Amino acid sequence: KNEVEQSPQNLTAQEGEFITINCSYSVGISALHWLQQHPGGGIVSLFMLSSGKKKHGRLIATINIQEKHSSLHITASHPRDSAVYICAVRSEGSQGNLIFGKGTKLSVKP
Amino acid sequence: GAVVSQHPSRVICKSGTSVKIECRSLDFQATTMFWYRQFPKQSLMLMATSNEGSKATYEQGVEKDKFLINHASLTLSTLTVTSAHPEDSSFYICSARRLAGITFDEQFFGPGTRLTVL
Repeated sequence: KNEVEQSPQNLTAQEGEFITINCSYSVGISALHWLQQHPGGGIVSLFMLSSGKKKHGRLIATINIQEKHSSLHITASHPRDSAVYICAVRSEGSQGNLIFGKGTKLSVKP
Repeated sequence: GAVVSQHPSRVICKSGTSVKIECRSLDFQATTMFWYRQFPKQSLMLMATSNEGSKATYEQGVEKDKFLINHASLTLSTLTVTSAHPEDSSFYICSARRLAGITFDEQFFGPGTRLTVL
């Protein structure tokens, strides 16, 4: 079992729909990242959070430390949101390296 | 937000040659830089962690003599793939971490370098 599990693996939505991507992890963490990777490959850091909720534009990220679960929400989705969304957790400890989920491929149709 | 650049973005080389990839943090000093490799439809895999002025720490299974990392300054790290072979073809991504407070740090990713070895 992977230490970071994302669901769903693939998601197709119609433009305007509300989208939720989930991330569950099994290790102790100091922080959790949500990343976006476009088809060209470049990675953009969307959020880093260790508790509660953060909002940036149409994106909302929440984390429940007790339940070891985080969600990324996209409101009023748009075709340009089509990308792979990756959850990564910073493990506790001196190195604190990131452990990556396998990503959720989102396709938003016009 | 902070910017991390990589150069080149794409490189095609012949088998047996060496390729150098540069990673720069453009507007901040990075306490640590990371090198990742990503195969198609796979997650990022950490190759090595480097701190300025010290030797890189390689993950298990990553050959340090093949993937040479030089962390020359707080804003520049290079990855050299020596004697590249077709199986080294992959997407290489660097990442830089900076301190944002006493106990809080942030990590930023470069745009990646696609290496194709013929």
